[in-house]
Order: sequence, then C-alpha cells, then structure tokens
Amino acid sequence: AQSVTQLGSHVSVSEGALVLLRCNYSSSVPPYLFWYVQYPNQGLQLLLKYTTGATLVKGINGFEAEFKKSETSFHLTKPSAHMSDAAEYFCAVSDRSTGNQFYFGTGTSLTVIP
Amino acid sequence: KAGVTQTPRYLIKTRGQQVTLSCSPISGHRSVSWYQQTPGQGLQFLFEYFSETQRNKGNFPGRFSGRQFSNSRSEMNVSTLELGDSALYLCASSPGTGYSGNTIYFGEGSWLTVV
Repeated sequence: AQSVTQLGSHVSVSEGALVLLRCNYSSSVPPYLFWYVQYPNQGLQLLLKYTTGATLVKGINGFEAEFKKSETSFHLTKPSAHMSDAAEYFCAVSDRSTGNQFYFGTGTSLTVIP
Repeated sequence: KAGVTQTPRYLIKTRGQQVTLSCSPISGHRSVSWYQQTPGQGLQFLFEYFSETQRNKGNFPGRFSGRQFSNSRSEMNVSTLELGDSALYLCASSPGTGYSGNTIYFGEGSWLTVV
C-alpha cells in the first residue's frame, strides 16, 4: 500500500518569506502526486499535480512543486508567503493500481506571521 | 459549472442510530469517492463508485456502505453509529475514465457529530 509522509505538522513563516512544505512517498512504482489545500470548514482544493512530463509543476496562487524520483519527494514551495496562504496542506498520491483511491499525508498547518 | 454538492452540511446523531449522507458530483463526472476526515486518523478512503458499481473499498467495517445512482449522485450510509464515527465526511468526484492520474474534486463535506 502507498504511504505519504509530511514532515512537520505545523509550519510558521513570516509574510514574504519562503514557504517549504515537505512530502515524501513510498511506492515501488512512480505514483501520481497531488497537493491540496483546505481552508477552515471547507473541502479540499487542488493546488497542483504531477502525472508525467516536466518534474517542476506550477499550480495556483504561486505555488509549485518538484517531483524528485531519486528522493521519492514532492515538496511544495512558494517564494513569498501571503497572509491568505494560512491553511492546511495535504500531499496525496494515487497510482494505476488504485485508480481514484488517494492516499493522503497527515497534513501540514501553515501559519503566516504578519 | 457547479461543484460537488454535499447535504446535509451539519448533523448530530445519537449513538446507535443510522445516517445517510448525499453527494451530487460535478456534471459529467461518473466517479464518486468518499473520505472520512478526523483529527486523529486524517483523511481515509471509504469507497469509490463508478457507473453505479463499487470499484474500490477502503478498510472500514460493514456498517459503512454506499451506493450510486444512474445520474451519478451518491449516498453513503452509516448504521449503528458509534462515537468514533464523528468526523467530516468528504465526497469527491472525478471524470473517472481510466486510471491516469485523474484529479478528484471535493465537496465541502458533511460534519457528523455522534452523541
């Protein structure tokens, strides 16, 4: 079975600082990789995904992530944090054998300090 | 295009009762999956339906069941509710054609509290 590890359940950054949220997966075959964001009392919204092709993926709201097969990682970054980025972020994987069954990490709560 | 719609948004049930939650997927989406979200266990996959057939099932007891209708709308049912079933239940829809990294789109969820 797939597993996803998000290092750091809570991350705090200053407004304007770099955001780095870490995600590692365990899989014997390259999975499909996703980052979702969840605001309070809402569902999850897709930020970006990697399925194939270019390993640096750009998403919404200035976020991007890089798939590194050798490190089994898919870390999420944003050059400059904004107050509106404060939310819970989830890394998720799926693969050809599990189809639309996603495996999620435990989430990272991002706080942005003014 | 309307997003995934879940009803009800909030509900309180008593231990031992049963509950039915409803989900209307994005128009044209044929796959509907359900997830349970709790602070302790995070997001856990319950099951996925495609064209009225259960295609995948997570590791939950038989008290958790679901179905999908011909219009792709889905319901999930939890019988004999336990306190531990208190959670946010999220429905997600996807075009569902093939297993090629489909994105799943979430609704806002149904908050279930069991007392």
